Amino acid sequence: NAGVTQTPKFQVLKTGQSMTLQCAQDMNHEYMSWYRQDPGMGLRLIHYSVGAGITDQGEVPNGYNVSRSTTEDFPLRLLSAAPSQTSVYFCASKLGGMGGTYEQYFGPGTRLTVT
Amino acid sequence: AQSVTQLDSHVSVSEGTPVLLRCNYSSSYSPSLFWYVQHPNKGLQLLLKYTSAATLVKGINGFEAEFKKSETSFHLTKPSAHMSDAAEYFCVVSLRNNDMRFGAGTRLTVKP
Repeated sequence: NAGVTQTPKFQVLKTGQSMTLQCAQDMNHEYMSWYRQDPGMGLRLIHYSVGAGITDQGEVPNGYNVSRSTTEDFPLRLLSAAPSQTSVYFCASKLGGMGGTYEQYFGPGTRLTVT
Repeated sequence: AQSVTQLDSHVSVSEGTPVLLRCNYSSSYSPSLFWYVQHPNKGLQLLLKYTSAATLVKGINGFEAEFKKSETSFHLTKPSAHMSDAAEYFCVVSLRNNDMRFGAGTRLTVKP
């Protein structure tokens, strides 16, 4: 199993550009999520999905878009990049179901810089 | 609202001495709690989790955590620090809707 994979590893964008961060998992997990990590703030949830065709907003959704057409893939789109979106982005997945007792498995991260 | 507070942003210990990383949570119902570790420029790895079974949870690499409902705490401990333990540690509370909320993190430094 490759687990959770993310591409690219690094990206530099200019303000106003758009791009898609890719995330895939091969563990047949229903739940997938995107976080951003900023110094001193831990990880903050951007968007999550509990299954194909179902997505919802997390703590910091503004400026980001997601869709979930398959169980395996959960891309994150930056619509018009801003310097405030400079961050490290992590994708994660876990088994679904109610209660939240399952741990998440994280990808290696994408380091994004917006100039 | 559910949240988690890590009481120390930085902890420094000498190799071979005990480690204590403190975490308090707030939750309106019985939570699931996790500790994750992140080594420099790496992803996050699960250390251990509490999901309402035994209150003392053993994890990988000799780490343990004890769930204390009366104190709303879930502190992480290790009897003897190793140089390889130097990393960032995150306490996480899991919400009923499958959301997870992270603490701000504690950076552990281990001195030789």
